[in-house]
Amino acid sequence: AQSVTQLGSHVSVSEGALVLLRCNYSSSVPPYLFWYVQYPNQGLQLLLKYTTGATLVKGINGFEAEFKKSETSFHLTKPSAHMSDAAEYFCAVTLNNNAGNMLTFGGGTRLMVKP
Amino acid sequence: KAGVTQTPRYLIKTRGQQVTLSCSPISGHRSVSWYQQTPGQGLQFLFEYFSETQRNKGNFPGRFSGRQFSNSRSEMNVSTLELGDSALYLCASGFTGGSYNEQFFGPGTRLTVL
Repeated sequence: AQSVTQLGSHVSVSEGALVLLRCNYSSSVPPYLFWYVQYPNQGLQLLLKYTTGATLVKGINGFEAEFKKSETSFHLTKPSAHMSDAAEYFCAVTLNNNAGNMLTFGGGTRLMVKP
Repeated sequence: KAGVTQTPRYLIKTRGQQVTLSCSPISGHRSVSWYQQTPGQGLQFLFEYFSETQRNKGNFPGRFSGRQFSNSRSEMNVSTLELGDSALYLCASGFTGGSYNEQFFGPGTRLTVL
């Protein structure tokens, strides 16, 4: 079984400041890891994903995340926050075992950006 | 290419009724998954269909069911609605089965049970 923990249900940063959203996972087999963003009244949009290969992955809108196996972490970062980044962010994991597309999500982190 | 569409977008039902939600995947996608999103429980996996067969199922009671048609469109049904079924129901489609492939989410159907 796999699980995801996102530390901090709410994170507030000033515009232009570093964004750091934390995600830790547990998985019995090599995982695939994802970050999704959800804007109000919308579905989920994929920001970035880690499957295999390079552990530092870059996504859309200037976000990136680093897969650290030793720390079982996949934290999301962005050097400079923009007002349009205000949204809810979800970290998710699925198993790399050809068993389908089931995603397990963390509880989400609501990012607020102050002017 | 059109994205994942879900109908209806909003729905109000009363306790004890049943409801059917529809999801049309991206053209060419054969996998459809359903998720329930609530403030208390977050995002939870309901089930996944691939080529008209249920491949994975989450931990939900039998009141929640689904099916997939030959054109990959999927429906989910909730019978004997309870207040706790009020949620945003999200559908996601993927190209294939087997190893994971990127899923694309629809805008969701917001169900309110009174």
